[in-house]
Amino acid sequence: AQSVTQPDIHITVSEGASLELRCNYSYGATPYLFWYVQSPGQGLQLLLKYFSGDTLVQGIKGFEAEFKRSQSSFNLRKPSVHWSDAAEYFCAVVGGSQGNLIFGKGTKLSVKP
Amino acid sequence: EPEVTQTPSHQVTQMGQEVILRCVPISNHLYFYWYRQILGQKVEFLVSFYNNEISEKSEIFDDQFSVERPDGSNFTLKIRSTKLEDSAMYFCASSEMDGNIQYFGAGTRLSVL
Repeated sequence: AQSVTQPDIHITVSEGASLELRCNYSYGATPYLFWYVQSPGQGLQLLLKYFSGDTLVQGIKGFEAEFKRSQSSFNLRKPSVHWSDAAEYFCAVVGGSQGNLIFGKGTKLSVKP
Repeated sequence: EPEVTQTPSHQVTQMGQEVILRCVPISNHLYFYWYRQILGQKVEFLVSFYNNEISEKSEIFDDQFSVERPDGSNFTLKIRSTKLEDSAMYFCASSEMDGNIQYFGAGTRLSVL
């Protein structure tokens, strides 16, 4: 069965520091992968997606992610974190035949000044 | 930018009562989804809906749940007899095609007392 693992529950980084959030997936075929961000009390906003092609994908707010098939990973990165990036980040893969998403448990990002 | 709208933002109900959560998907989208997120846990798929019928559902989506698209624009989730464990944030999402990008609403927080 498809699954998504986000090994880090909570990460704290200093403002201006680089960030990498880990995501590993289990899927038989080429996965459709997503990163969503959820600010407190808000819904889920799409940061970026990977369907095919270039394995390094660019998203909004300066985020990027790299698909590595050999490692079954789709890690999210940002070179310089801003205080407004503090939120919860969810990695997801398309699961069922109708496109339903399977989410990881999320990684909460805290940013210290 | 078009968005998915959910109402109400917060619903409080007594155990055993029926609730209807409402969603207005993006107008040209064809696939509709409900997810839920129990506090502190990951986002879980409930049901997908296409062409006026359920296309896929999870084991969570038991007989107390139902969905419908009553008027071609709204997409509703009904919980017939709420339980304490139904307390969660419920997210509606829509997409143009299956497996494509899903756009999420801000969610309805359901509190069952």
